[in-house]
Order: sequence, then C-alpha cells, then structure tokens
Amino acid sequence: EPEVTQTPSHQVTQMGQEVILRCVPISNHLYFYWYRQILGQKVEFLVSFYNNEISEKSEIFDDQFSVERPDGSNFTLKIRSTKLEDSAMYFCASWTASGNTIYFGEGSWLTVV
Amino acid sequence: AQKVTQAQTEISVVEKEDVTLDCVYETRDTTYYLFWYKQPPSGELVFLIRRNSFDEQNEISGRYSWNFQKSTSSFNFTITASQVVDSAVYFCALAGGSYIPTFGRGTSLIVHP
Repeated sequence: EPEVTQTPSHQVTQMGQEVILRCVPISNHLYFYWYRQILGQKVEFLVSFYNNEISEKSEIFDDQFSVERPDGSNFTLKIRSTKLEDSAMYFCASWTASGNTIYFGEGSWLTVV
Repeated sequence: AQKVTQAQTEISVVEKEDVTLDCVYETRDTTYYLFWYKQPPSGELVFLIRRNSFDEQNEISGRYSWNFQKSTSSFNFTITASQVVDSAVYFCALAGGSYIPTFGRGTSLIVHP
C-alpha cells in the first residue's frame, strides 16, 4: 500500500523559533495538503498545493506559514516564528483525483513551549 | 461552501452492540467525494472508505457498512458487533470540485468490554 511519510514524528520547539515539517507524498499524486489538528479538536485545512503552487489556503494559513516543494518529492511546511497556539498535530496528505483516496501521513506532533 | 456535520460528539456502547455514526453534508457541487477516517488513540488518520457522489450503492466491508443517501445528504457508518478495538474517533469528510476535504468534528466511539 502506498504511503505518505512525515518527519519528524514529534518536535518540541521554543516560542519564536522556526520549524520545518517535512512530507514525502505518494509519487504520482498531484494534489498535496497540510492539515492541522489541535489536541481533541477537528482536523482543519491549512493549504493545498497543485501544479507547483498554492491552489487554496485557509484563514489559518497566515504570513507565518509557507509551503514548498523544493525538489519534486519533498513537500514542506514552514512556520516562521512559532507561537504557543501552533502546538498541534500537522498532517500531510496527497491525492490523485482519479485515484482511490486521499492518503494521510502519520502526522507530526509539534509542541511549542 | 461545504460543510460536514457529525452531530454525535461521543457514543458509548458495550461490546457486540451495533452502532451507527451519522454524517450529514452540505455542498453545491454536483460531483463530490465522501470519506470516513478512523483516528485511534495513536493519532494517525486511517482511511476507511471513499464514495463518489454518482455512486449511491451501499457498501459492506466485514463488520463495517456505509449507507449513502443523496436525498437526505447523509453518509452514515455502521459497525456491527462492535469490539473494543473499534474505540476511536471517526471523522466524516467531504471533498467537492476543489478537491479539498472538509472534515466533520468527529465522533468519539467508546466500546466497553
């Protein structure tokens, strides 16, 4: 079964520090996503990426967030200056619309202290 | 805009009981996709099923079954003879023409031995 891989699985960072979360989507997929889930809450959409650019972003995805697909395989989410409220599980996902489903990675748990 | 409502916040059952998790959706798209995901305590999102809007056939997979009713905009999920291992949060999600899944708030299922 194909899988989306995410690193790190868990990161603790100090408030104000920059964080990069990495994802390797499934190779033939075209749509890539980042979602966030604050502990005990719903899974919230952050951003989608298609054809090497952002296709849509939510209100949560403000100027402190950015995404890149630097080398055609990795898909990264950068948080420039972390805040306490950025503590959450971050999920990467990928999809080819003609395919079976959207595959999610196992998540990166970010703790900001 | 699209919306997914999972009105049941938490359901508690005793093992071997049948349980149905409700999902009601709203969308203006004529083509859309519905999903169910399971989130066990370990945190990952496990894909269970995808349904296309043009395919109203119900599906059964082992103890799991899904009832898609376009007339009532519902996509309900039934677990037959529940087991303790079924304890998890279950999310219903909808993706329309933008191919961006919107998640419901989730239903926490607790199965007691």
